[in-house]
Amino acid sequence: GDSVTQMEGPVTLSEEAFLTINCTYTATGYPSLFWYVQYPGEGLQLLLKATKADDKGSNKGFEATYRKETTSFHLEKGSVQVSDSAVYFCALLSGAGSYQLTFGKGTKLSVIP
Amino acid sequence: GAVVSQHPSRVICKSGTSVKIECRSLDFQATTMFWYRQFPKQSLMLMATSNEGSKATYEQGVEKDKFLINHASLTLSTLTVTSAHPEDSSFYICSALGVGVSEQYFGPGTRLTVT
Repeated sequence: GDSVTQMEGPVTLSEEAFLTINCTYTATGYPSLFWYVQYPGEGLQLLLKATKADDKGSNKGFEATYRKETTSFHLEKGSVQVSDSAVYFCALLSGAGSYQLTFGKGTKLSVIP
Repeated sequence: GAVVSQHPSRVICKSGTSVKIECRSLDFQATTMFWYRQFPKQSLMLMATSNEGSKATYEQGVEKDKFLINHASLTLSTLTVTSAHPEDSSFYICSALGVGVSEQYFGPGTRLTVT
């Protein structure tokens, strides 16, 4: 079955540091890939997505590129802020009309001033 | 983007009572709604998928008689936790998919505490 593996946290960075959160996946067919962010006490918000190989999703300074050859969708940001402190989830949506998301376990990011 | 609300945001109930959580799509018609459960420091676990006007499809290991799901309209789905016990304490999140939206939109979640 489908699965998503993302790096375990927690990750603690200083403000303006570079962020990478690794995510790899296993899926049949050609899934769409997502990064969701969950701020403390809140639900999930879609951060970015990519629907086919070599697509780059970007939003709020975050980027992730759909790499089919390495089955990866790593999240990056060049300069993190304290307000980026949250839990980040990598997820995939299988093709063929499926609407069921498969989530990774989440990576907690803490950014300190 | 589309907006999904949940009510209540937090609820505390006594063991043995039932609790209803509402999930509403505010600006689109949700043909499909999903209910997730999130344990502390864990990922989201899909509990069930509900389509408007039909019975919900439960994931393996989820008791359908304990977690009653109703999706009676295109804007509302409810999850009722019956005869709640402390182990049912969790964060419950719904998401919706529907007409005019290309992805799932998530509600803000409901924190259930059973004492």
